[in-house]
Amino acid sequence: SQQGEEDPQALSIQEGENATMNCSYKTSINNLQWYRQNSGRGLVHLILIRSNEREKHSGRLRVTLDTSKKSSSLLITASRAADTASYFCATDAEGGSEKLVFGKGTKLTVNP
Amino acid sequence: NAGVTQTPKFQVLKTGQSMTLQCAQDMNHEYMSWYRQDPGMGLRLIHYSVGAGITDQGEVPNGYNVSRSTTEDFPLRLLSAAPSQTSVYFCASSWGNTIYFGEGSWLTVV
Repeated sequence: SQQGEEDPQALSIQEGENATMNCSYKTSINNLQWYRQNSGRGLVHLILIRSNEREKHSGRLRVTLDTSKKSSSLLITASRAADTASYFCATDAEGGSEKLVFGKGTKLTVNP
Repeated sequence: NAGVTQTPKFQVLKTGQSMTLQCAQDMNHEYMSWYRQDPGMGLRLIHYSVGAGITDQGEVPNGYNVSRSTTEDFPLRLLSAAPSQTSVYFCASSWGNTIYFGEGSWLTVV
């Protein structure tokens, strides 16, 4: 079952704009992670936020977590063409890091 | 440091054939997992292992077998390939919340 559901499914923006992607999940979690996948490549871990955290920053990335709404958002500021990729949220609702449950992803296109 | 290595990267199989996707990691991680990714979908867990000699089923285990005889290796076996198993397969290894994925294996069953 898909625990996380990203929204929107696809997003197209201009370089320099901010990109916001949302993720909703169904059951209690210990942590939520965001991954990036470039076309034809594997997944790269971006950031992890624990259930007792509300916001986390890493470079141009800002992640928020609202456990009462079972939702998270990923904000990429000042986007670049190189940010073009699919972004997935993943939760550990069914165990630890060996049993992540992924959403369907948001496909981000950043136009130069 | 190679990380997680998957082979082969591309494979075409005929229906009914069997094959093994290889996965090896050199980080001494206890946890390893296999996922499949279908178009427009996230990753779905096939099988996972929390240590040598221990494996368990994920969300979509049917048609696949795994074994974990060593910490380093976690092969995924397709017993009798079906067109529904056409997908991209990712192996992952993890320690705590640090997870590394391989580059993927593209499998087509005709």
